[in-house]
Amino acid sequence: NAGVTQTPKFQVLKTGQSMTLQCAQDMNHEYMSWYRQDPGMGLRLIHYSVGAGITDQGEVPNGYNVSRSTTEDFPLRLLSAAPSQTSVYFCASSTTSAKDYEQYFGPGTRLTVT
Amino acid sequence: GIQVEQSPPDLILQEGANSTLRCNFSDSVNNLQWFHQNPWGQLINLFYIPSGTKQNGRLSATTVATERYSLLYISSSQTTDSGVYFCAVEPDNNNDMRFGAGTRLTVKP
Repeated sequence: NAGVTQTPKFQVLKTGQSMTLQCAQDMNHEYMSWYRQDPGMGLRLIHYSVGAGITDQGEVPNGYNVSRSTTEDFPLRLLSAAPSQTSVYFCASSTTSAKDYEQYFGPGTRLTVT
Repeated sequence: GIQVEQSPPDLILQEGANSTLRCNFSDSVNNLQWFHQNPWGQLINLFYIPSGTKQNGRLSATTVATERYSLLYISSSQTTDSGVYFCAVEPDNNNDMRFGAGTRLTVKP
C-alpha cells in the first residue's frame, strides 16, 4: 500500500491564483480530512469527509473548497490564494470503525503565497 | 469548540531518561489520538486511546475520560524520539478533530 499520497510537495503561488492540492489513499478509508499547520502550531482542520459525496467544514474552512467523488480521492481547492494561506497542508485518512480511528497522514504540501 | 491543552510546551531530556506528556481537554470525546511529528515533518500515529491504557514498546498512554486528560509516557528515551508530540481529540457530538499545540521534545545524546 502507498498509504496517503499528496501532490505537489512544494508550491509557490501569487496572490489571487487558484490551485488544487491532490490527496489520495489506497486503504479504502471512509474518513478523509485536510489540515493546515502554521509555524510553531498544531494542526487545524479545514474540511473533512466521512464518505464519497459527503463533506463538512472544520475549524478553518474559509477560502477552501473540497469535493469527494470517490473513496480514494479528496482534493483541496484554493479559490483565490492569499498570503495568509501560506502553510503546510496535510491530508489524512482513517476508517470509521469504532475500534480503530487511527489517522494516517500524507507527507504534506508546503505552500507559499507571495 | 473543545479546548485541548498540552504540557509542557518544551522538554529537553538526556538520552535514557523517562518523561510524561500531558493532554487536557475541555469536553467529552469519542476519539483521542497521540501523534509524533519527526524533525522532517512526517506525522505518525502513536496511539488511538479514547479511554484506558495501551503500550507499544517504550511508549505507553493512559486516558482518563471522566477526568478529561491523557498521558503519554516515554521510557528510556532515545535521540530518535525527538520531535513534536501532538494530542488530538474529537468531541462526542461531531467529527471536528482538534489538535493541541504540541510538546516539543529534544533528546540529547
